[in-house]
Amino acid sequence: GALVYQYPRRTICKSGTSMRMECQAVGFQATSVAWYRQSPQKTFELIALSTVNSAIKYEQNFTQEKFPISHPNLSFSSMTVLNAYLEDRGLYLCGAREGGNTEVFFGKGTRLTVV
Amino acid sequence: GDSVTQTEGQVTVSESKSLIINCTYSTTSIAYPNLFWYVRYPGEGLQLLLKVITAGQKGSSRGFEATYNKETTSFHLQKASVQESDSAVYYCALGDPPGYQNFYFGKGTSLTVIP
Repeated sequence: GALVYQYPRRTICKSGTSMRMECQAVGFQATSVAWYRQSPQKTFELIALSTVNSAIKYEQNFTQEKFPISHPNLSFSSMTVLNAYLEDRGLYLCGAREGGNTEVFFGKGTRLTVV
Repeated sequence: GDSVTQTEGQVTVSESKSLIINCTYSTTSIAYPNLFWYVRYPGEGLQLLLKVITAGQKGSSRGFEATYNKETTSFHLQKASVQESDSAVYYCALGDPPGYQNFYFGKGTSLTVIP
């Protein structure tokens, strides 16, 4: 079956430092990968959508300078939270989809705590 | 922009009783969106529960069902008789066709089924 693994599951970083999280697709080709953030008491916000062979599209309020994303092949993507502060804490979710399929497969998320 | 509003917070239901979690959506897209219910069991990632991509149709899975009503812009989740194993967080989501460039989640409803 199709699975998406995210790691680390939990991480703590000091304010002002950076943290990299990874997303691995197994059993299908992750043509598109979307990264979301769920802040405390909020829903999942789309950070950016990465499609192989296309430019990464960032949503309003999120920038490449703050959340650089790499999507080097059809099974892997990573995102870094640069210069993390308290407002960056939350659960970061990776969702991947193959081609024109309607289903998006999600990982279990990386929970980021900033101290 | 597009948005999804669902029953917020925590819902507690006794086992074998009926359940309804409300979900309404708004979209600026010309095309009708695709609608989804995702579920997150404790310690697990987001899983697709059911989806409906055609207005007027009903989706069903694991005893849950939801009807895509374009007149009321609603996609309420219902189950006639809940079980303790249904305890989870449920998210209503909207995807703009054709490529889900944008995928919007509601804030989630935490369901607790008590025996």
